[in-house]
Amino acid sequence: GESVGLHLPTLSVQEGDNSIINCAYSNSASDYFIWYKQESGKGPQFIIDIRSNMDKRQGQRVTVLLNKTVKHLSLQIAATQPGDSAVYFCADKGLLNEKLTFGTGTRLTIIP
Amino acid sequence: KAGVTQTPRYLIKTRGQQVTLSCSPISGHRSVSWYQQTPGQGLQFLFEYFSETQRNKGNFPGRFSGRQFSNSRSEMNVSTLELGDSALYLCASSLGGGLGGTEAFFGQGTRLTVV
Repeated sequence: GESVGLHLPTLSVQEGDNSIINCAYSNSASDYFIWYKQESGKGPQFIIDIRSNMDKRQGQRVTVLLNKTVKHLSLQIAATQPGDSAVYFCADKGLLNEKLTFGTGTRLTIIP
Repeated sequence: KAGVTQTPRYLIKTRGQQVTLSCSPISGHRSVSWYQQTPGQGLQFLFEYFSETQRNKGNFPGRFSGRQFSNSRSEMNVSTLELGDSALYLCASSLGGGLGGTEAFFGQGTRLTVV
């Protein structure tokens, strides 16, 4: 069935280094992808999105890369800070659909 | 602009009871989706409402239901609660244009504990 999965459940990164969080998806009809950050006790917070007609999109300190050939999505966080510690989820929407399919999440821990 | 508001934040209910959760979307957003989050199953889609109509439904039993009002506010109801219904219930709002590209914003969630 359709699924969006993550390669690694946990990731520890030194403060100031760059982080890369990966995600694989299986639905070739997926049109839109979002990365969310979820801190303890809070709802998922929108970080950045990308449509299937793009392969890269940049935000403030974050970049999302989309490789449709291998159905792979990544989130790059530059110069990670303690406040970046959270669980990161990728999610996708199919065409003409508001339903988000989430991956299992990656817990990012920043080492001071 | 106010964000997505979910009430209550916390609930404790007994098995067999029913519960109603509320979600007020961002002003101007017409689509409201509900998700269940548990450590074992992650984030799972329950249903989506747009203009007071259920437009999408996930794979949950009929005990889970919802509705949307003319002001786009939504409620979800769970009847005959089971221990396994303990979870964080999240509401997301979006413009809902149906083009698959609109951002979805989440509320803080309602933490339901069934004892």
